[in-house]
Amino acid sequence: QLQLQESGPGLVKPSETLSLTCSVSGGSIVMSGYFWGWVRQPPGKGLEWIGTIDHSGAPYFNPSLKSRITLSGDTSKNQISLRMISVTAADTAVYYCVRDRGNHVIAWWGQGTLVTVSS
Amino acid sequence: QMTQSPSSLSASLGDRVIITCRASEDINYFLSWYQQKPGQAPKLLIYDTSTLESGVPSRFSGRGSGTQFTLTINNLQPEDFATYYCQYSGAFGPGTKVDFK
Repeated sequence: QLQLQESGPGLVKPSETLSLTCSVSGGSIVMSGYFWGWVRQPPGKGLEWIGTIDHSGAPYFNPSLKSRITLSGDTSKNQISLRMISVTAADTAVYYCVRDRGNHVIAWWGQGTLVTVSS
Repeated sequence: QMTQSPSSLSASLGDRVIITCRASEDINYFLSWYQQKPGQAPKLLIYDTSTLESGVPSRFSGRGSGTQFTLTINNLQPEDFATYYCQYSGAFGPGTKVDFK
C-alpha cells in the first residue's frame, strides 16, 4: 500500500524559504511511469498544482510558480522535496504530496501539511 | 483554464446531480474528477472523462469531450456530500460544493 507522508515546518516567515519533504513508502520514486509532486490548497479555497518530477528526476512546474520553486528527489531515502523561495501570505496552504500516474491523474495523495506564512 | 458550474448546489438523498466542467480549449478526453470532503485529501473518482477509478461506486459517471464535460451522481448518498473538482493537466476547476437541501 503506497503511503505519502509530508513533513516540514508549519510556520514560515514572509520572504523566507519553504521546504517540505515527502517520504514515500510502498513504492519507489524511480519507478518508471509515475510522477511525484505537490498540490496545494489555501484555506477554504481550491486546488493548485505545483509540479512534479518523473522517475529520472526531471521536473515539471506550474508556470506561475516556476521561478520560485525547486523540486528534487532523493532516491537513497525514497523522498521528494519541495523548496519555495520568497514566500508571502498567499503561499499559506495545505501542501499535499501526490503521485501522478501520467496525464496528471493523481490517484495517491498524502494527508497534507498546513504551512502558514506569517511573521 | 477550467470552469465549473454550479459553484454550489443543494440536493436531497436519492437525487441525481450533474456538475459541468468547461475547458478554455479542446482538451480531448483528458479530464479527471476528484471528490474532497472537509479535512481530507481529494480522492480520484474518474479519469479520461469517463473511466471510473477502482473502488468508486457506479452511481458516479462522467462524459463529455472537447471543451464540455459532466460529472453525474445518481441516487445521491450521504457520503456524496462533498466538493467536486475537475482537472485537466495542471489546472483544476474551482470546485462545486454539494450540500444537503
